[in-house]
Amino acid sequence: AQSVTQLDSHVSVSEGTPVLLRCNYSSSYSPSLFWYVQHPNKGLQLLLKYTSAATLVKGINGFEAEFKKSETSFHLTKPSAHMSDAAEYFCVVSERGNTPLVFGKGTRLSVIA
Amino acid sequence: GAGVSQSPRYKVAKRGQDVALRCDPISGHVSLFWYQQALGQGPEFLTYFQNEAQLDKSGLPSDRFFAERPEGSVSTLKIQRTQQEDSAVYLCASSPGTPIGPQHFGDGTRLSIL
Repeated sequence: AQSVTQLDSHVSVSEGTPVLLRCNYSSSYSPSLFWYVQHPNKGLQLLLKYTSAATLVKGINGFEAEFKKSETSFHLTKPSAHMSDAAEYFCVVSERGNTPLVFGKGTRLSVIA
Repeated sequence: GAGVSQSPRYKVAKRGQDVALRCDPISGHVSLFWYQQALGQGPEFLTYFQNEAQLDKSGLPSDRFFAERPEGSVSTLKIQRTQQEDSAVYLCASSPGTPIGPQHFGDGTRLSIL
């Protein structure tokens, strides 16, 4: 069975400082991994995805994530936070050939001016 | 429109009423998914269609939940005899086809049961 654990329910950073949102996954197969962002009262927007190509994945808005199989981690980072980054972030896993996405519980990112 | 469209955006119903939620996927997308997002939680899978075929309904919480996609395009999620625990945001997503994703999400329908 596949699962995702987001290690922090809430992260608060100052504008211009680095962002780190942590995610660990469990999967019986080679997984596909995603990060989605959700702004209030909005749907989910794909930030980036890993599908067994390069382990360092670059996404939109300056975000990137590194797949580390030995640590079963897929942490999301950004060098410099912007006020508009404040939102809920979801780490997501999906096993090859299996269609439903399995979401983590989410990490709420606050950005302080 | 270019994205996944869901209607209504907000729905308030009394306990025991039936509700119907609509999803209009991106044109040409073969796969369509429904998810339920409770307050403060991540979305949870409900059901999946490939064209008009419902291939997986393992996430539907009870037989009060029913989904259809009769012509392989628009989908409707119906909840009969609603209960307070059905209050949630219902998200629809579509993708071009297999293999997986990425899935493109609509803005959701926020359902409140009084």
